[in-house]
Amino acid sequence: EPEVTQTPSHQVTQMGQEVILRCVPISNHLYFYWYRQILGQKVEFLVSFYNNEISEKSEIFDDQFSVERPDGSNFTLKIRSTKLEDSAMYFCASSEDGYRKTYGYTFGSGTRLTVV
Amino acid sequence: DAKTTQPTSMDCAEGRAANLPCNHSTISGNEYVYWYRQIHSQGPQYIIHGLKNNETNEMASLIITEDRKSSTLILPHATLRDTAVYYCIVSALGDYKLSFGAGTTVTVRA
Repeated sequence: EPEVTQTPSHQVTQMGQEVILRCVPISNHLYFYWYRQILGQKVEFLVSFYNNEISEKSEIFDDQFSVERPDGSNFTLKIRSTKLEDSAMYFCASSEDGYRKTYGYTFGSGTRLTVV
Repeated sequence: DAKTTQPTSMDCAEGRAANLPCNHSTISGNEYVYWYRQIHSQGPQYIIHGLKNNETNEMASLIITEDRKSSTLILPHATLRDTAVYYCIVSALGDYKLSFGAGTTVTVRA
């Protein structure tokens, strides 16, 4: 079964440093998403991306965050200057059909980001 | 701003059917009901979704009431691997985001 792959599985970074979280969506999927889950809290939507542009973003996704699809396979989330409160599990997801949601979203296993 | 209400937790015996209720009394005509689950901090996993008709796939069945104000996810033969947090989510076509609530923590016991 096709998978969404995320790397690294765990990243520790110093406060104020830039981090890039990487995702390889399923190859024929066109819509890409980032979600995060702070320990013990709900899964929260960050951003959706289609046709090389952001289609929707949440209030969490401020100027410190950016997304990019640098080539035909990777989808990245960059946090420019990490804060302690950015510590969370970050999930990438992709879908074949974002508008009609015919098939649901496929999530990756996540990257656990720890800011110290 | 929760659109769905689910019990906080429930237990189920291995091999028995697990029936997970969800209330969504304010659902709009263009909103679908989606079910996802999350096993021990892994990424959420899509289970099933529907608009108004009952749906079945290899994982589960979804029963939606005629007035669409509630639904039930049925896991026909629960296994220990089905222990997870189950999320009922209401979302319209054209909404890119999924709004996860607290879900129902389902524990399958041997």
